[in-house]
Amino acid sequence: GQNIDQPTEMTATEGAIVQINCTYQTSGFNGLFWYQQHAGEAPTFLSYNVLDGLEEKGRFSSFLSRSKGYSYLLLKELQMKDSASYLCAVRWSWGKLQFGAGTQVVVTP
Amino acid sequence: DGGITQSPKYLFRKEGQNVTLSCEQNLNHDAMYWYRQDPGQGLRLIYYSQIVNDFQKGDIAEGYSVSREKKESFPLTVTSAQKNPTAFYLCASSNGDSSGANVLTFGAGSRLTVL
Repeated sequence: GQNIDQPTEMTATEGAIVQINCTYQTSGFNGLFWYQQHAGEAPTFLSYNVLDGLEEKGRFSSFLSRSKGYSYLLLKELQMKDSASYLCAVRWSWGKLQFGAGTQVVVTP
Repeated sequence: DGGITQSPKYLFRKEGQNVTLSCEQNLNHDAMYWYRQDPGQGLRLIYYSQIVNDFQKGDIAEGYSVSREKKESFPLTVTSAQKNPTAFYLCASSNGDSSGANVLTFGAGSRLTVL
């Protein structure tokens, strides 16, 4: 199968910036999603990238480089409520959507 | 408000028993999905359905069964044949467009524990 890699856990202070990286194999790539999941709750959609570049939505931004097989989710002005797991998911050209294991972000006061 | 409702939220089962997890959506979405979530692993697709009365196996369908008799409903049965059923189960739906931003809407999940 295709590997999707993201760090297991990241810790940052309230008000700071955190960048969550996601790497994947480039062959067959057809779009990348970021979801946020609070513990024991439903994942919720954050962003979708299919073209290279940066997509900004308020405090959250997502970047994609298709040639490098690389995306990141940037969380600015961190708030305590941002403590959650962030899931990277890649859609492959044959239609399958594959999730990474998720990155647990811990925001400390 | 439109959304996806999963029930029960918590379920305990003895070994050898079948259990059925409910998933209902009022989003008028064509496609519905069942995922399993285990610690340290990504969501894994169990079954999906793109239209009523039709469904397809995902990556880990063994030991599970589904039905799609109504557009709104996609129940998952965890059978006694599933070797390691203790997990968090997530139901999702989408408008079914396999191209572009086919965003999934998830339910709140059902946590199954086998005693």
